[in-house]
Parts: sequence; C-alpha cells; structure tokens
Amino acid sequence: GAGVSQSPSNKVTEKGKDVELRCDPISGHTALYWYRQSLGQGLEFLIYFQGNSAPDKSGLPSDRFSAERTGGSVSTLTIQRTQQEDSAVYLCASHTWTGGMGELFFGEGSRLTVL
Amino acid sequence: GNSVTQMEGPVTLSEEAFLTINCTYTATGYPSLFWYVQYPGEGLQLLLKATKADDKGSNKGFEATYRKETTSFHLEKGSVQVSDSAVYFCALYSGAGSYQLTFGKGTKLSVIP
Repeated sequence: GAGVSQSPSNKVTEKGKDVELRCDPISGHTALYWYRQSLGQGLEFLIYFQGNSAPDKSGLPSDRFSAERTGGSVSTLTIQRTQQEDSAVYLCASHTWTGGMGELFFGEGSRLTVL
Repeated sequence: GNSVTQMEGPVTLSEEAFLTINCTYTATGYPSLFWYVQYPGEGLQLLLKATKADDKGSNKGFEATYRKETTSFHLEKGSVQVSDSAVYFCALYSGAGSYQLTFGKGTKLSVIP
C-alpha cells in the first residue's frame, strides 16, 4: 500500500513478556518516528530515525524499550518485560524533509494491552 | 522545554455551529505550528500548518492563525458538520537541534445532527 503500515493492530500480552511492534514506512521517506498515545495523555515522543544518522532515543521511557530500523526502511519497536503501564497505542509516522518539517504520515497504530 | 496546551474536551456541538479549539504553546525560537486530526479508526493526518508569525493555515473550512504575541494557534471553523467529528491535536516543531514534533493532549469533537 501507499501509506504507513503497522502490525499487529492489536496485541494482548501478559505482564513480563516481550513484544515486538513493526512499522513499514512510506517508500522513500527517510525520517521515521515512534510515538505512544495513552488515554488522556496525548502523543509522547519515543524515538526518531533519520537516514543513516544516529537515532534520537531521548524519549524512550526506560531501558526496556528499544527500536531499530533496518536498511533505512522497516522499523521494529521492542518492549521487554512488559508492564501494565506500557498499555497504550504505539504510533509510527514517516516523512521526508522538504526544507523544513513537512507533513508526518501516521499509521493506524498498534494497540498494546498488558494484562 | 517545548509544550502545547489544548482546551479540555470533549466538545459537543450541533451541526452548523461555530467551532473554536484553543491551543497555546511554549517553545524556544520560532516554531512551526500544526493541527492534526484523527478520525475514528484512522491514523492522524495533517489538517493545516503555519510556519511563521501571522501566517494563516487553512484546509477543509478550518483555519488557524499563528499569533506570536499570544503564543496561540486556535483552530476555528464557521459551520461544523457531522463528518468533522474527530480528535484534534495541536503540535509544534521548534528545530533547534531536535526533530521532535511536540503534541498537545488532543480535543475530542462530537458533532450531532
């Protein structure tokens, strides 16, 4: 498809398990973001990838969270030893720089529920 | 640090009513400002933006003016429709070495016939 694709759309897991969330950005977009959307909390920045530069990991809430982007395309967000407070919708967005901050294209998100 | 404050929701309006969703910001430098909209079951999408003071962004009948003196970017529409029911997010990008887009908490709008 032409848009940002995320999988799984829904994930229910038990506390303590590891989860992987996948993002397939729009082809040719060099920049990729992960955000977390919690009820009543808006969008919380997690991590940013731009081309071959070192990622901006300043938003990752703990060392249980990590992300990688292989070949400048697909990205995976991994949460180890999940906790109930990790329950949220995880959003991925991609864009390409157009002389400034352009439009971010968002996927529909992966809803994570930790029991 | 950068922050965006939006009016609390939810907001419920009748069709054809006037809409205002307030947004104020705190940022270093001269940020670019955005409104994103999230329709039910869909991802966020850009509604409009403004990149410098006094610029007016507009799209689909919505408007917002970048007011540096009041650090505001209020969203307005003269006559809302049921199809405008969605969650609206105000956001800013300040640059200054960071690539983060900072979002407000979102305002849910419901328009009833």
